[in-house]
Amino acid sequence: DSGVTQTPKHLITATGQRVTLRCSPRSGDLSVYWYQQSLDQGLQFLIQYYNGEERAKGNILERFSAQQFPDLHSELNLSSLELGDSALYFCASSPRERSGANVLTFGAGSRLTVL
Amino acid sequence: EDQVTQSPEALRLQEGESSSLNCSYTVSGLRGLFWYRQDPGKGPEFLFTLYSAGEEKEKERLKATLTKKESFLHITAPKPEDSATYLCAVGGYGGSQGNLIFGKGTKLSVKP
Repeated sequence: DSGVTQTPKHLITATGQRVTLRCSPRSGDLSVYWYQQSLDQGLQFLIQYYNGEERAKGNILERFSAQQFPDLHSELNLSSLELGDSALYFCASSPRERSGANVLTFGAGSRLTVL
Repeated sequence: EDQVTQSPEALRLQEGESSSLNCSYTVSGLRGLFWYRQDPGKGPEFLFTLYSAGEEKEKERLKATLTKKESFLHITAPKPEDSATYLCAVGGYGGSQGNLIFGKGTKLSVKP
């Protein structure tokens, strides 16, 4: 157990629907990162929050949004889902604002299947 | 643009057969180079961080090294439990906004 908790583990939904993925960071970590992992693209950085504030954006689609709450848990909202959104979504956390020199601790992931 | 390329994509070894995995990178000012291990259906697990050329780190049968352009993950006398996908990532000062850029990984299979 890494200390980063993600729910749900598996999610099957239909095109056009909206889902919410939840992440609780490791105790003491203030930064939360969301990554998407698909077979052909590898791990792609989506977005980062630090202590409730958005800090960096990567390859995140406009249909996707995220937020970090005062208790530091984070939610990733995916809307108007398309078949191509099927992937593993990972949350990671770290103690500091920038991950470039700091270790990320990953959760077990949420597997999204869009039919 | 910050970039990470890993090779080979897949590697099959016999138990005890040593080998190396390669990670070539391009980054605007290296903050750190990271190696992670990922087992099927699980999240990446941290192995090593390297910060400067010439640095080396070891853990059991694994040894990571770093030059100005690439990093190697050497696996000595591997065992079947070393089978996993090994991911390399870099953090830079430039366009990645300090966040990690991952390679696509090398899938290692070790047969008994």
